[in-house]
Amino acid sequence: DQQVKQNSPSLSVQEGRISILNCDYTNSMFDYFLWYKKYPAEGPTFLISISSIKDKNEDGRFTVFLNKSAKHLSLHIVPSQPGDSAVYFCAARYTASKLTFGTGTRLQVTL
Amino acid sequence: EPEVTQTPSHQVTQMGQEVILRCVPISNHLYFYWYRQILGQKVEFLVSFYNNEISEKSEIFDDQFSVERPDGSNFTLKIRSTKLEDSAMYFCASTPRAGYGEKLFFGSGTQLSVL
Repeated sequence: DQQVKQNSPSLSVQEGRISILNCDYTNSMFDYFLWYKKYPAEGPTFLISISSIKDKNEDGRFTVFLNKSAKHLSLHIVPSQPGDSAVYFCAARYTASKLTFGTGTRLQVTL
Repeated sequence: EPEVTQTPSHQVTQMGQEVILRCVPISNHLYFYWYRQILGQKVEFLVSFYNNEISEKSEIFDDQFSVERPDGSNFTLKIRSTKLEDSAMYFCASTPRAGYGEKLFFGSGTQLSVL
């Protein structure tokens, strides 16, 4: 089941620069997308979401872009901070209950 | 900020034994979920629960699994006869209401190791 894919297992970015995390999906029934951040020994924490009727949603340093025709979304973090170092999961839903997660991208923000 | 609480944080059991993983969702939330993450793999949906009923479950959630809300605060996941492949981090989550836009609040997880 590869309905949501995050092809980059890891990403390293310098502090102050932009981090871009990518996610691709195959199921055209998905109509809501979420990003979660996860620190070791903690559960996933909600970061930002976007409905399929939009192409951009912004919340402070975090912006999510959705390209429905390409079935692609991305999370931009700018400026990146050391505290942003975590694993980022893309998730999608087409029912109210079930989130389908990607495999995650480990972001390392270096000084 | 209110949070979802899971106990224990680690559980070690022998294959074939029954385990119960416990969760206390956020107090005014009405929808409850279990997810799991096998080491190195993605987080997978197991089951959702509302109004004392399962509302949706995945193919993983077979007859060996059950969920219960035994009182007004706890939400449990029982695995009747554990298998080696049940070893995973199990996450409980809750939301105040259903809806596509609702974000799930996750607990810190229970690491289950089946030997």
